[in-house]
Amino acid sequence: DGGITQSPKYLFRKEGQNVTLSCEQNLNHDAMYWYRQDPGQGLRLIYYSQIVNDFQKGDIAEGYSVSREKKESFPLTVTSAQKNPTAFYLCASSSLGWNEQYFGPGTRLTVT
Amino acid sequence: QKEVEQNSGPLSVPEGAIASLNCTYSDRGSQSFFWYRQYSGKSPELIMSIYSNGDKEDGRFTAQLNKASQYVSLLNRDSQPSDSATYLCAVSGSARQLTFGSGTQLTVLP
Repeated sequence: DGGITQSPKYLFRKEGQNVTLSCEQNLNHDAMYWYRQDPGQGLRLIYYSQIVNDFQKGDIAEGYSVSREKKESFPLTVTSAQKNPTAFYLCASSSLGWNEQYFGPGTRLTVT
Repeated sequence: QKEVEQNSGPLSVPEGAIASLNCTYSDRGSQSFFWYRQYSGKSPELIMSIYSNGDKEDGRFTAQLNKASQYVSLLNRDSQPSDSATYLCAVSGSARQLTFGSGTQLTVLP
């Protein structure tokens, strides 16, 4: 089955800790994206990558970091510098040249 | 400031009725338009994409695009209770990134 997987589904952390969210896809898509969704709001772009070893900041990159060492994987680290990290994190991917993005199931992060 | 705005909800319609969801966008350079359905607690699912002016039909859904008016809509012609969800409008501009609206919550009453 082709698709996007994210793990874990739920994540609980104490304030001040860094945490890494996993995103893997086997759709052979070149581009991958990380979004954040807060209750009652749309999705906001954190980071995106169109090719291995290259990535760009989105609208709300502060306090986050990413890597793209493999085409299939695009992990997101939420650092202690992120002031309000509790949110629903969504990973997406698309083929280059196409704007249709497909989403993974998401990771719900709670920081207390 | 690029913006995508959706009509405020929540929207309730009876089963079998037409549900109309509307979206306006501010970036005149926008090229691609998408509708996603998001069930409560789940991730968004792409249900429609439209790239040129006019109507595009897919099953019970019809997307309508008017670039001159910067307006895109989604019609559900035979709404079912299983369609109850939040519908997100997404627009891709010249930067080829998606900008999402805040969504319209639709409830279809049996």
